Parts: sequence; structure tokens; C-alpha cells
Amino acid sequence: KQEVTQIPAALSVPEGENLVLNCSFTDSAIYNLQWFRQDPGKGLTSLLLIQSSQREQTSGRLNASLDKSSGRSTLYIAASQPGDSATYLCAELQNTGKLIFGQGTTLQVKP
Amino acid sequence: GAGVSQSPRYKVAKRGQDVALRCDPISGHVSLFWYQQALGQGPEFLTYFQNEAQLDKSGLPSDRFFAERPEGSVSTLKIQRTQQEDSAVYLCASSLETGSGEAFFGQGTRLTVV
Repeated sequence: KQEVTQIPAALSVPEGENLVLNCSFTDSAIYNLQWFRQDPGKGLTSLLLIQSSQREQTSGRLNASLDKSSGRSTLYIAASQPGDSATYLCAELQNTGKLIFGQGTTLQVKP
Repeated sequence: GAGVSQSPRYKVAKRGQDVALRCDPISGHVSLFWYQQALGQGPEFLTYFQNEAQLDKSGLPSDRFFAERPEGSVSTLKIQRTQQEDSAVYLCASSLETGSGEAFFGQGTRLTVV
């Protein structure tokens, strides 16, 4: 059974700090990896999708990397803002479209 | 509508009651997924449809859970004889393509079994 793990479960940082969220996965033949944001009481918003042939993707202040050999992905958030406070989920995206999620990291950015 | 719509947003059921949760995917989307998200956890896969065909139901936790998508559009997740452990947020997602096309999520239905 493929598994995805996220550490830490929660993180609190002051505004302006750069930070890294970690994700590890057991599937060495991972198809794609996707990062999502979830706000309280809301659905999931896709942030970045990294295909297995890629090593990283960037969108604004966000950068996600994928290292299949070590089974790890990171989400880098530059110059964090209070509006970045949310739960961040990484997920293995299989070729059927099925997503296998980690437990999430809840981020609080303090003004 | 422009996005995936789920109803009801909130449902309180007495233990033993049957419930039905509805998902309206984005028009024209081929694939539809159901996930269950317990408090403080990531979503867990329940089942997957490609048009009206249920191709994967390996995540359904028991035979009390049943999903259908008879016309390849709206889907219903039914839970019979609800138990307290069924309390969770149920998320629906749809994607335009089969395979690993980007999935769009609804806001979910929060089910509380008392």
C-alpha cells in the first residue's frame, strides 16, 4: 500500500519568514505529485503539480520540488504572509487520477 | 455552476439512520472521485467513476457505503445504518479527463453522527 507522510503536523512562523514543508512517499514509481491548500471549512485548492519527469515547479512565492530517488517532496514558501495560514496537503497523483494524501501540515503565519 | 457543488453542506444523523450525499461535478467532466476526511487527517480515497462506470471502489470502508452515478453526471454517496465512526467530511472531486487530469474539489459535506 502506497503511503504519503507529512512532517510536521503543525508549524507556526512569524510573518516574512521563508519556510519549507516536507512530504515523503513510499512509491518509488510515483506518477505525479501534487500540493494542495485547504482553508477551514473549504475544499481543496491545487497549488502545484509536479510530473514524474520534472524536478520542480514554481508559482509566485511557491516552489515545489520532487526527488523520486529519496521519496521526498518539499514545498518552499518565500516571504510568508498571514494569508498563507492554512493546511497544506501533498498527494501522490496516480495515473487513474486517484490521489493518495498525506495528513497535512497546518501552517500559522503570525503578523 | 462554475465549480463542483455538494449538498447538503452539513448533515446531522442519528446513529442507524441512512444518509445520501450529493455531488454535482463540473459539466462535461468525465471522472468523479469521492474522499472521506476525518478531523485532523488528510482525505482518503473512497471510490472513482469514469462516466457512469464505477471503476474503483476499493476505498469504501464497508458494505454500508454505496455510490452511484447513473447518468454519468450527478453522483450520490449513500451510507446505510450510520455509525459514529462515519462522522467526517465527504469530499467530491471531478476532472475533465480520464487519467491524471487536474481534479477540482467541492467544499464537502460535513456529516456528524450522534
